[in-house]
Amino acid sequence: GENVEQHPSTLSVQEGDSAVIKCTYSDSASNYFPWYKQELGKRPQLIIDIRSNVGEKKDQRIAVTLNKTAKHFSLHITETQPEDSAVYFCAADTGGFKTIFGAGTRLFVKA
Amino acid sequence: DTGVSQNPRHKITKRGQNVTFRCDPISEHNRLYWYRQTLGQGPEFLTYFQNEAQLEKSRLLSDRFSAERPKGSFSTLEIQRTEQGDSAMYLCAGSLGLPNSPLHFGNGTRLTVT
Repeated sequence: GENVEQHPSTLSVQEGDSAVIKCTYSDSASNYFPWYKQELGKRPQLIIDIRSNVGEKKDQRIAVTLNKTAKHFSLHITETQPEDSAVYFCAADTGGFKTIFGAGTRLFVKA
Repeated sequence: DTGVSQNPRHKITKRGQNVTFRCDPISEHNRLYWYRQTLGQGPEFLTYFQNEAQLEKSRLLSDRFSAERPKGSFSTLEIQRTEQGDSAMYLCAGSLGLPNSPLHFGNGTRLTVT
């Protein structure tokens, strides 16, 4: 079955700096890669996603890249703000059946 | 607001007791998922439904766990003979069921087994 590995587990950056979170997946059939943000005590919420027919997608300060050959995908947050502090999960989906999550990255943005 | 509601929000039970959780997705969510999340980990897939049909169940799920979605709307997750290792956040999520549809999570039910 699918396995998703995520790193780093913890990331601390200064406000205004960029943050990068990387994930790898094992199932070459995976074709959908969502990213979720989970604030303390709250539910995971989708922040951005990418499908396997594109290599990059951007939404304001957030961008995702996908390398299908290497089975890597990454989340990039630019100009980080304290409210970006949360746990971020990458995930992989083989076509709408089930979504497998990484273990999460706890991001701290220091003011 | 995703529209997915879960009850109860918290449940404390003694080891060996049975517990049941409920999830109410919005009507457009023909797929419904159950995940379990422990501290410091990502959501772990348990099972999912397409309308009322349970299509997949994780191999990690013991026979003490059972889920239903009798009319393709709300769903229940029951844990029999609870163990301390069952303590976790149980998350329900709905999706439109189209290929590559994101999950919309509820607020979860936090189970503590003493």
